[in-house]
Formats: sequence, C-alpha cells, structure tokens
Amino acid sequence: AQSVAQPEDQVNVAEGNPLTVKCTYSVSGNPYLFWYVQYPNRGLQFLLKYITGDNLVKGSYGFEAEFNKSQTSFHLKKPSALVSDSALYFCAVRDTASNTGKLIFGQGTTLQVKP
Amino acid sequence: DSGVTQTPKHLITATGQRVTLRCSPRSGDLSVYWYQQSLDQGLQFLIHYYNGEERAKGNILERFSAQQFPDLHSELNLSSLELGDSALYFCASSPRINEKLFFGSGTQLSVL
Repeated sequence: AQSVAQPEDQVNVAEGNPLTVKCTYSVSGNPYLFWYVQYPNRGLQFLLKYITGDNLVKGSYGFEAEFNKSQTSFHLKKPSALVSDSALYFCAVRDTASNTGKLIFGQGTTLQVKP
Repeated sequence: DSGVTQTPKHLITATGQRVTLRCSPRSGDLSVYWYQQSLDQGLQFLIHYYNGEERAKGNILERFSAQQFPDLHSELNLSSLELGDSALYFCASSPRINEKLFFGSGTQLSVL
C-alpha cells in the first residue's frame, strides 16, 4: 500500500533561520508527491508537487522540496522562515494504484516559527 | 480563495441525527473528493466522484453516503450520527483525474 510518513509532529524554528519539514514515502512505481499547508480554520492550500524531472521543486511562498529517490524522501524546505509560515503542513502521495487521483496524506507537521 | 465552496461552515447536531454537507467544486472541475479530518485519524479519504459517477471509496462508514449531481455539486450525507463523527469534513475538486486538488474551507461538524 502506498503511504507517506511525517516523522515530526512539530518543528520549531526561529524567524530568519532555514526550516525543514520531513516526509518519507512508500509507493510502488513512480511517486507523485505533494505538499499542502493548512492555516487555522482554513482548507488545505497547494504548495508544490513532484511528478518527474528536477529533484529540487520550487513552490509557493518561497518553499521548495527536495526529492531523494534513494532515501525515499521529499523534505520541504525554506531558506529563511517567517512567523507567517506557522501552520500545519501535509505531505501527500497520489494513489496511483487506484487511478482515481486521490491523495494519501501524512499525519501532518505543525511548524512553529518564533520571532 | 480556492474556488471550492462548502456549506455550512459549522454544524452542531445531536447523536442519532442526520446531516447533509454540500460542496460546490470550482467551475468546470469534474472530480470531487471528500475527506474527513480528525485529531486522532488525520486526513482520511472518504469517497471520490467523477462527472457524476462514484470512482473510489475509502474509509467511509455505511452510515455515510454521497452523490454528485448533474451540475457537479456534491453532497455528503451522514446519518445515525455518533460522537466520534465530530470532525472537519473537506471537499476538494480537480479538473480531471490526476490533477492537483483544490480544497474548500471545510465543514466543522460537532455531534453532541
């Protein structure tokens, strides 16, 4: 079965410092990977995706993610964190086995950026 | 604003009752997905409709049902509600299968 894991429930970082939110995946075949962000009382917003091509994917709000096939990881990164980046972040993989396009989400990681 | 509209935003009801959650996808999107978000289970896929037809079922209870209408809006019906059904229910849409999903703001269901 396809799945993603986010090993950290919470990540704390100081404003201006680089941040990393970790994600590992387990799929059969080629992975289609996504990052979404959820602000309080809001729906999920798309940040970026990896389908194929460059291992470094750039997305919205200055975020990027690095795809590493050998480590089956897709970590979310940002060079300089902002307090406004504080939110809940979800990694997801497309369920290619069912061919419905549905996404399977990780448990989420709360990012707390302190001034 | 994602363009996906969910109503109502909040719903408070009692155990044993039945409720209907409504989702209007982005204009032209044919796919609608329903997800349930709870603290203990995270984001769980419930069901997927494409152009009016059910395409996939996930962890959806028999007490729950859904449909997608000819105008592409979708409804999620929850019956015989239990305390454990309290959660945030999201709808997401996409133009076609295997496109990125756009999420609504969700319906917060509280069963008392």
